[in-house]
Amino acid sequence: NAGVMQNPRHLVRRRGQEARLRCSPMKGHSHVYWYRQLPEEGLKFMVYLQKENIIDESGMPKERFSAEFPKEGPSILRIQQVVRGDSAAYFCASSVDHGGSYGYTFGSGTRLTVV
Amino acid sequence: EDQVTQSPEALRLQEGESSSLNCSYTVSGLRGLFWYRQDPGKGPEFLFTLYSAGEEKEKERLKATLTKKESFLHITAPKPEDSATYLCAVQDGVAGAQKLVFGQGTRLTINP
Repeated sequence: NAGVMQNPRHLVRRRGQEARLRCSPMKGHSHVYWYRQLPEEGLKFMVYLQKENIIDESGMPKERFSAEFPKEGPSILRIQQVVRGDSAAYFCASSVDHGGSYGYTFGSGTRLTVV
Repeated sequence: EDQVTQSPEALRLQEGESSSLNCSYTVSGLRGLFWYRQDPGKGPEFLFTLYSAGEEKEKERLKATLTKKESFLHITAPKPEDSATYLCAVQDGVAGAQKLVFGQGTRLTINP
């Protein structure tokens, strides 16, 4: 059981470039969540997805950020035209059901640095 | 709006010196309160879920308790390997059970 897999672990982008972060949930989990951890801040919810559906994106910035979870393949968090303020650790979590009755499992995160 | 406040921000203990971490919360309707451990450069690692006031759970040197307004993580006779940031999060059963609202964490250091 490989757990929640995130890649890349570290990503460096210049201002204005695009960043793509990938997340493969645990085997048997069909619910995916993205969280962002800014320096010296707590984890903040961004978006909740099921296969081919965005269920709750209330924590996503309105511009430049998008997420998908296609029928096949990993979930993708996409940040267009990155700015320095996007530098953070982005964590993906997965669960068996939407309420996390059996818990949420987190990946090791992608650390994005914008230079 | 749901809120979680953890105290202290940082705590330094000697090996074997027991203590408690606090998590105060405000939530419309608590569905669950979660404790996670996070090591530097890693993702949160699940420790406990508590669902109702009065509930207690234990794992090795850790014991989590829950009241209607706060939760405590008691650490008994800690060892250096217990050094980590401990995160508390609530799940709101009214506003949306699909997300966790996290506190800022308590950074625990155990000196040998």
